[in-house]
Amino acid sequence: DTAVSQTPKYLVTQMGNDKSIKCEQNLGHDTMYWYKQDSKKFLKIMFSYNNKELIINETVPNRFSPKSPDKAHLNLHINSLELGDSAVYFCASSQLTSGGAFRFGPGTRLTVL
Amino acid sequence: SQQGEEDPQALSIQEGENATMNCSYKTSINNLQWYRQNSGRGLVHLILIRSNEREKHSGRLRVTLDTSKKSSSLLITASRAADTASYFCATVPPTSGTYKYIFGTGTRLKVLA
Repeated sequence: DTAVSQTPKYLVTQMGNDKSIKCEQNLGHDTMYWYKQDSKKFLKIMFSYNNKELIINETVPNRFSPKSPDKAHLNLHINSLELGDSAVYFCASSQLTSGGAFRFGPGTRLTVL
Repeated sequence: SQQGEEDPQALSIQEGENATMNCSYKTSINNLQWYRQNSGRGLVHLILIRSNEREKHSGRLRVTLDTSKKSSSLLITASRAADTASYFCATVPPTSGTYKYIFGTGTRLKVLA
């Protein structure tokens, strides 16, 4: 039973296109996150939603727009894709109040050509 | 700047040997967590140690925390080829106001059979 799932797993697209990545968790966690992992494996937080409310919004180009329709879903839409957007994007969830562990999704490898 | 930095960046050992990885951080923390990432996969939570704890064990894993030196170490005893992965520490600064986990750059462990 998958805890945190992401779709698609791979995304190859041309520069300038718009794409979306979807994330769903079935753990009942109240907080969800998007992280970007670059080619050097550095993980950088992008956004976080707690009970559908945006609580973390790091310095990310406004071409990136998260959306949380409910506590179990967090999507990421990217407009006008650039070469530098190529990375692996991870969704994660946690129970904020307990300060506990993250559960990560399998990642979406985005390649912009 | 990055909160957590792992050392060494890469480590190669023989099966059966112990592996030690270190994590240093810059500010006070609420808790510190260690994660493993197998190639092409998401991160998996290994162990959480709170700021008032000094040592924690989980199976072949032993984590220590020295808040005076702002450092933590992860020891994997009797390593196996399956332990080959990247290991990350993640910290939550208490002053952040939110559970903004910040990940280090990771230690890439290779266990040779």
